[in-house]
Amino acid sequence: DTGVSQNPRHKITKRGQNVTFRCDPISEHNRLYWYRQTLGQGPEFLTYFQNEAQLEKSRLLSDRFSAERPKGSFSTLEIQRTEQGDSAMYLCASSPPVGDTQYFGPGTRLTVL
Amino acid sequence: GESVGLHLPTLSVQEGDNSIINCAYSNSASDYFIWYKQESGKGPQFIIDIRSNMDKRQGQRVTVLLNKTVKHLSLQIAATQPGDSAVYFCAEITYGNNRLAFGKGNQVVVIP
Repeated sequence: DTGVSQNPRHKITKRGQNVTFRCDPISEHNRLYWYRQTLGQGPEFLTYFQNEAQLEKSRLLSDRFSAERPKGSFSTLEIQRTEQGDSAMYLCASSPPVGDTQYFGPGTRLTVL
Repeated sequence: GESVGLHLPTLSVQEGDNSIINCAYSNSASDYFIWYKQESGKGPQFIIDIRSNMDKRQGQRVTVLLNKTVKHLSLQIAATQPGDSAVYFCAEITYGNNRLAFGKGNQVVVIP
């Protein structure tokens, strides 16, 4: 399967703990996006990378959230001091250098107890 | 698995019938639109897209219609199959922007 992959698929953590998710985009896709989706809602944009540069961040991305894409390939999303309100599906998407279509991964389901 | 479609508008359709899912968008500057299908516990799956310089585009069993005058988008699924049961989202993007804006999902339930 050469689609976007995300790990882990599920994460259960206690409030106050830090968590880190990983996204591997489709090969040769230089653009990468993170979204968050809560139950019954559409995905909401969090941040965007072009190669290794983080070019856009949503206001939803509080100071506790940080995303990196150090080599312009995989990306990580870290949430520090998790809160119950962080419980959601975290989706990663990628797109090629040309074209606007974003292809999504399976997501990481985070549950904060 | 956990349902993505709680409290969503639901379309129940008999297997073999055609389905029509509607979406209203708000940004008149949007110039690219995508329909995604999302099954429970999975990420959104690309179905079909359309640019604002078109009003209709056809794929395999799916057709997207765009009416820019009333800012309305629709997805038609021909000969609906059980595997089409999912939540469907429309998404829009504006040229030069990088963030997809998703509309409210519509749950489609196919009755065998």
